[in-house]
Amino acid sequence: GAVVSQHPSWVICKSGTSVKIECRSLDFQATTMFWYRQFPKQSLMLMATSNEGSKATYEQGVEKDKFLINHASLTLSTLTVTSAHPEDSSFYICSARTGYEQYFGPGTRLTVT
Amino acid sequence: AQSVTQLDSQVPVFEEAPVELRCNYSSSVSVYLFWYVQYPNQGLQLLLKYLSGSTLVKGINGFEAEFNKSQTSFHLRKPSVHISDTAEYFCAVSYFGNEKLTFGTGTRLTIIP
Repeated sequence: GAVVSQHPSWVICKSGTSVKIECRSLDFQATTMFWYRQFPKQSLMLMATSNEGSKATYEQGVEKDKFLINHASLTLSTLTVTSAHPEDSSFYICSARTGYEQYFGPGTRLTVT
Repeated sequence: AQSVTQLDSQVPVFEEAPVELRCNYSSSVSVYLFWYVQYPNQGLQLLLKYLSGSTLVKGINGFEAEFNKSQTSFHLRKPSVHISDTAEYFCAVSYFGNEKLTFGTGTRLTIIP
């Protein structure tokens, strides 16, 4: 149980385009989901907290207009990287919270050329 | 501000030898503590957690950790490691009343045959 999926697992896009990443909790409902960014050989950096039916809460320094988060249902949150640039290339990981625990998705590798 | 310190960025260990990965946190309030493992290009998998009760916590894959409140530590141990334990290990903490996780910088465990 407590499986979280992400789609796509990897994506390559051209600079200036937008990319949408989906995060789904497959066997439980999650009122709260989180989006993290991980640079090579570094730890996870929390980008935002996504709550179903309300606006996401962004961490300091994260551009909310660039990283659009939508939590349309109790099992789905999406992260859209708008007007992507090479510096947005990274590994993006989502998690879904149930109880005191967060269950993590497998991650999405974004490469912007 | 909450913080988690993993003093060792890399730990090489011979196969079948014991290992301890260190984790210290800063807090003046009650905490929940977690250890996660990350294999290359994958998301995070929960190894074990401390929420309350017994300070010695047993997790998956033969790992265990001990919560030491006076030393604000939550070190991860395994009596005999295997090649398959090669991975990145992250310690994380959340604070009572705050659902966010704060991660340490990670420890790369390398098993030497």
